Amino acid sequence: AQTVTQSQPEMSVQEAETVTLSCTYDTSESDYYLFWYKQPPSRQMILVIRQEAYKQQNATENRFSVNFQKAAKSFSLKISDSQLGDAAMYFCAYTNRRGQGAQKLVFGQGTRLTINP
Amino acid sequence: GAGVSQSPSNKVTEKGKDVELRCDPISGHTALYWYRQRLGQGLEFLIYFQGNSAPDKSGLPSDRFSAERTGESVSTLTIQRTQQEDSAVYLCASSLEPQGLRGYTFGSGTRLTVV
Repeated sequence: AQTVTQSQPEMSVQEAETVTLSCTYDTSESDYYLFWYKQPPSRQMILVIRQEAYKQQNATENRFSVNFQKAAKSFSLKISDSQLGDAAMYFCAYTNRRGQGAQKLVFGQGTRLTINP
Repeated sequence: GAGVSQSPSNKVTEKGKDVELRCDPISGHTALYWYRQRLGQGLEFLIYFQGNSAPDKSGLPSDRFSAERTGESVSTLTIQRTQQEDSAVYLCASSLEPQGLRGYTFGSGTRLTVV
């Protein structure tokens, strides 16, 4: 079974600085997708960024980028120029890319990110 | 609708009562997922629907939990004889394409408290 591990329960960063959130995963599959989701106090999960395992290039979305190390099964999220609105729980998630049917997401335990003004 | 809608937003129930949680996905989204999030924890998969069928129910924790989907739209998660360990936020998500590889759209969840 696939597992996702986030080893940092809490992180904090000064506004405008850069922070990196860690994620490792375990799978025997070769084709899969990885995601970072943000969960603000409103509880709604918001997709931040995704990475396709067969792509070597790291995904980037504005101030958010990932460092995907397939051999090491590592998928970290870097947030540049941190803003107060980035404060939230961040979840790393994995899904297989297999077959035609729906695939469930497997989530890590989350990292609570605090932005200090 | 514009997003995934869940009702009620909050539910307090007495131990032993049955509860029904409702999810209205985005119109046209074929896949629908239920997750449970205990306090301070990540999301646990419960069940997903492809259309009105549930190919994977492996996450349902016991036979007290059941779910259905009708009209390839609304889904209801039912918990019978609720226990205190059922207290959690129940999140629903939907996706346009079956594999959800572009990410799901989540609702804001139902916070269930069993007293």
